[in-house]
Amino acid sequence: AQLVQSGTEVKKPGASVKVSCKASGYSFSNYGITWVRQAPGQGLEWMGWISDYKGNTYYGQKVQDRVTLTIDTSTTTAYMELRSLRSDDTAVYYCARDGLVVPAALDNWGQGTLVTVSS
Amino acid sequence: EIVLTQSPGTLSLSPGERAALSCRASQRIASSYLAWYQQKPGQAPRLLIVGASNRARGIPDRFSGSGSGTDFTLTISRLEPEDFAVYYCHKYGNSRVTFGQGTKVEIK
Repeated sequence: AQLVQSGTEVKKPGASVKVSCKASGYSFSNYGITWVRQAPGQGLEWMGWISDYKGNTYYGQKVQDRVTLTIDTSTTTAYMELRSLRSDDTAVYYCARDGLVVPAALDNWGQGTLVTVSS
Repeated sequence: EIVLTQSPGTLSLSPGERAALSCRASQRIASSYLAWYQQKPGQAPRLLIVGASNRARGIPDRFSGSGSGTDFTLTISRLEPEDFAVYYCHKYGNSRVTFGQGTKVEIK
């Protein structure tokens, strides 16, 4: 199983960013995808989980008003869009393979995408 | 929302020593939906333990997890040089997912 994320992004405050996560080597429709971010020198923050199972999506409280998770099963790609960016959104964003029905332990991770928010 | 508190913040040990890392939950975690990860600088986290006590595929047996309810422990029986890293606990299983703040295991 492999997850390959899109490249580094530099955005201005107030803009939006959309990060992709291309899955391969496993049956994409049998798993969900979780997004986790890590600000510089900080710990891991759960952003949300999406699964094609009944179209379920869960979002973390801190970002739930600004984030949208989507998946495209035809291309086995997951997307995370974050709007109204602020400086404290500067972080490395990771996707990870997750459970299909509910969030589970994360056994495969993408390489991470650095998003820098700066004027 | 369940809060996971890891202790200590930093653990200073020598290679060959035993490490015990704690993860305490503010409420009981059902069905031991608790995982542990290792993260090295510049790398994505790596899954070590799932379901509180089950080693993930390919994880050496010097790593073990224990606990239930609100108190969980990750034990590294004999530290190898490659084990010096940051470790996170992770509560999953429903819509309220959370991570602990991490414990850094550093070389003494």
